[in-house]
Amino acid sequence: QKEVEQNSGPLSVPEGAIASLNCTYSDRGSQSFFWYRQYSGKSPELIMSIYSNGDKEDGRFTAQLNKASQYVSLLIRDSQPSDSATYLCAVNRGNQFYFGTGTSLTVIP
Amino acid sequence: EAQVTQNPRYLITVTGKKLTVTCSQNMNHEYMSWYRQDPGLGLRQIYYSMNVEVTDKGDVPEGYKVSRKEKRNFPLILESPSPNQTSLYFCASSFRDRAAYGYTFGSGTRLTVV
Repeated sequence: QKEVEQNSGPLSVPEGAIASLNCTYSDRGSQSFFWYRQYSGKSPELIMSIYSNGDKEDGRFTAQLNKASQYVSLLIRDSQPSDSATYLCAVNRGNQFYFGTGTSLTVIP
Repeated sequence: EAQVTQNPRYLITVTGKKLTVTCSQNMNHEYMSWYRQDPGLGLRQIYYSMNVEVTDKGDVPEGYKVSRKEKRNFPLILESPSPNQTSLYFCASSFRDRAAYGYTFGSGTRLTVV
């Protein structure tokens, strides 16, 4: 069983819509949760971190964590073409990070 | 500018020829790590280091070596590269309180072993 699972997509949304990205993790001992954005050919860039149940908002981004369901999500409001990228979910357990394979998002103008 | 610097960006080498990929960070981060990224497999941790002279294996350490003699540097060594080590490699660093800060990644090294 993979540590972190994401739907690889591709996910396509029209400009201005809400994009919803989902992630599940297998180990209940996971402590911290992160969303990274990776443009094609570039390195991952941290956009959100969350470690308590509930919602965390930062601008157009909202991360949601449900530890009972072992589920993390990222909502992107008012999606822009510049949001088109691969979004990586990551979890931290002990001294290691585990990454999902990423969800490819395309925002259509 | 706060950054993680990897070199080289691109490298083509032949099977068995030892190589080193350098990684340096200027943020005084204690924690440094190497990942490889392959299509369909995502980012997989090779080695990590909690601080100077402290290194540990990640999920895919076979065929790799690392050292941490100084806080800012964390080179990745391939003693005898093989074609299955062809991949995109990322160095990353963070403060030990990883929950708050997450990683800063280097720009990546695309390695091809022929």
